[in-house]
Amino acid sequence: DAGVTQSPTHLIKTRGQQVTLRCSPKSGHDTVSWYQQALGQGPQFIFQYYEEEERQRGNFPDRFSGHQFPNYSSELNVNALLLGDSALYLCASSKQGWFVTDTQYFGPGTRLTVL
Amino acid sequence: GENVEQHPSTLSVQEGDSAVIKCTYSDSASNYFPWYKQELGKRPQLIIDIRSNVGEKKDQRIAVTLNKTAKHFSLHITETQPEDSAVYFCAADSGGGADGLTFGKGTHLIIQP
Repeated sequence: DAGVTQSPTHLIKTRGQQVTLRCSPKSGHDTVSWYQQALGQGPQFIFQYYEEEERQRGNFPDRFSGHQFPNYSSELNVNALLLGDSALYLCASSKQGWFVTDTQYFGPGTRLTVL
Repeated sequence: GENVEQHPSTLSVQEGDSAVIKCTYSDSASNYFPWYKQELGKRPQLIIDIRSNVGEKKDQRIAVTLNKTAKHFSLHITETQPEDSAVYFCAADSGGGADGLTFGKGTHLIIQP
């Protein structure tokens, strides 16, 4: 039973560029959440996708966008990269519970460096 | 929105002693409180969680307590071992099935041999 996977592992971009990160959820899970973890900080919630729609969003600008595919995998896109976007990007998968938050399992993350 | 405060930021204990990490939250609608352990360069891993209808939960050497009135919850690790050394994060959901988690800033737990 595969856990949560993410690609790529590492990525180096320059300011102003665009980046796409990918996530495949754990088998049996239908919901994907994305988090940004700056060095020495806790993860910060970006957004969550369920049924191919953004269900909830954290306090991140519109430069951050996402997508979920029919097989439940997801992409995170960041446009017009800033130096401050350098971080570990984590995705977490869970099974949707409409009135009860389900356990979230994290992937290994993608380390993004913006030069 | 939800705000989660965590302390201490660093905790050093002797092997075999107990460790306690405390968190407070601001949103009374929050219902779900997980704890994650993150070793250097690795993904956060869930170690225990608690829901608002329960005051305490235990799993071997790890326990979590929740006080909804005071809006605080704590992680207790007994008989600490070297492999317990890591950064621990508490988190809270937004309530009403809104699953986005708000994390504390983390506690670096150091187990001294």
